[in-house]
Amino acid sequence: EAQVTQNPRYLITVTGKKLTVTCSQNMNHEYMSWYRQDPGLGLRQIYYSMNVEVTDKGDVPEGYKVSRKEKRNFPLILESPSPNQTSLYFCASSPRLAGRVGELFFGEGSRLTVL
Amino acid sequence: QKEVEQNSGPLSVPEGAIASLNCTYSDQGSQSFFWYRQYSGKSPELIMFIYSNGDKEDGRFTAQLNKASQYVSLLIRDSQPSDSATYLCAFGGDTGRRALTFGSGTRLQVQP
Repeated sequence: EAQVTQNPRYLITVTGKKLTVTCSQNMNHEYMSWYRQDPGLGLRQIYYSMNVEVTDKGDVPEGYKVSRKEKRNFPLILESPSPNQTSLYFCASSPRLAGRVGELFFGEGSRLTVL
Repeated sequence: QKEVEQNSGPLSVPEGAIASLNCTYSDQGSQSFFWYRQYSGKSPELIMFIYSNGDKEDGRFTAQLNKASQYVSLLIRDSQPSDSATYLCAFGGDTGRRALTFGSGTRLQVQP
């Protein structure tokens, strides 16, 4: 089954305790991205990756890191989480088709609470 | 000014009626437009995309795009209670980074 898998789905942590949210896709997609979703603000892009070893900042990258060492995996790292990073996080992937932007396939989401 | 404007709703329609959802955008360079459906507590799923002016139909769904007026709409015919969800519009510009800009979504309630 084609899917994007995120873990953990739910996490409560404390300020400053490093955490990683994993994301893996089995569709051989070149493009992967992380979004956060907050009430009234919609989905905002954190980081994206066009291919292995190629990553770049989205609209709200502060406080986050990513890496893309393998095509299928794109982990999101919070080095020192703060309460304003409490949010619902989505990983998404997309096939790299010329002229086509945005047919994103989303993971199930990871709800993070930072106390 | 927000880049994508959607009425947050809720939009309430009776079962069997046509639901009309609207979205305006500010980026005149936008090339592609999408409608995603998101059930409560779930991830967004793509239901329609449109690249050219005019209408595009897929089953009970019709997407309408008017680039000159910078709006895109989604019509849902014969609305069902299972259509109750939040509908997100999104557009992609020619940025080269394949980012979508999402609206905050319109919550649709279909009353049985």
